[in-house]
Amino acid sequence: GNSVTQMEGPVTLSEEAFLTINCTYTATGYPSLFWYVQYPGEGLQLLLKATKADDKGSNKGFEATYRKETTSFHLEKGSVQVSDSAVYFCALTLNTDKLIFGTGTRLQVFP
Amino acid sequence: DVKVTQSSRYLVKRTGEKVFLECVQDMDHENMFWYRQDPGLGLRLIYFSYDVKMKEKGDIPEGYSVSREKKERFSLILESASTNQTSMYLCASSSRTGGAFFGQGTRLTVV
Repeated sequence: GNSVTQMEGPVTLSEEAFLTINCTYTATGYPSLFWYVQYPGEGLQLLLKATKADDKGSNKGFEATYRKETTSFHLEKGSVQVSDSAVYFCALTLNTDKLIFGTGTRLQVFP
Repeated sequence: DVKVTQSSRYLVKRTGEKVFLECVQDMDHENMFWYRQDPGLGLRLIYFSYDVKMKEKGDIPEGYSVSREKKERFSLILESASTNQTSMYLCASSSRTGGAFFGQGTRLTVV
């Protein structure tokens, strides 16, 4: 079946450190890939997306590249801030169907 | 600003009660979804709808039903609330081009 696997958290970093959150997927067909972010007490917000192989999604300093050969969509940021502390969800959709989510990765950034 | 609005942020209900969770979107999206979010389990799809009066079961539909009488409104119904339905419930909508927008969530406690 179709699924998303994320690295387990929490990921704990100091401010200005480099961030990578790994995400790999299994899909029958060619999915669109997404990263969502959930700040404490809020719903999910779309952070970035990529709809085909080699596309790079980017937003607010975050980037992720759709790698078909490794079925991955790792999230990166060059310099994290305390305000980036949140839970990050990787997700996929096929044919604009329902979103399938990973279990989420909590990021904690300390000053 | 696009918006998905859930009727309540917090609800406390008694075991056996019939519970209605309402969700309204103002983006004229075709697709609407109900997820529940639990620690360690990520987001799990309960039901979704592609169009008015259409519904499809998600991964965990047992104990729930839905109603979509108008395009902008998607209701989740707990026929007889149980304590294992205590959770955060998230509504989302999306267009056929993909990428979902989420409401703020409803934290339901069943006592």
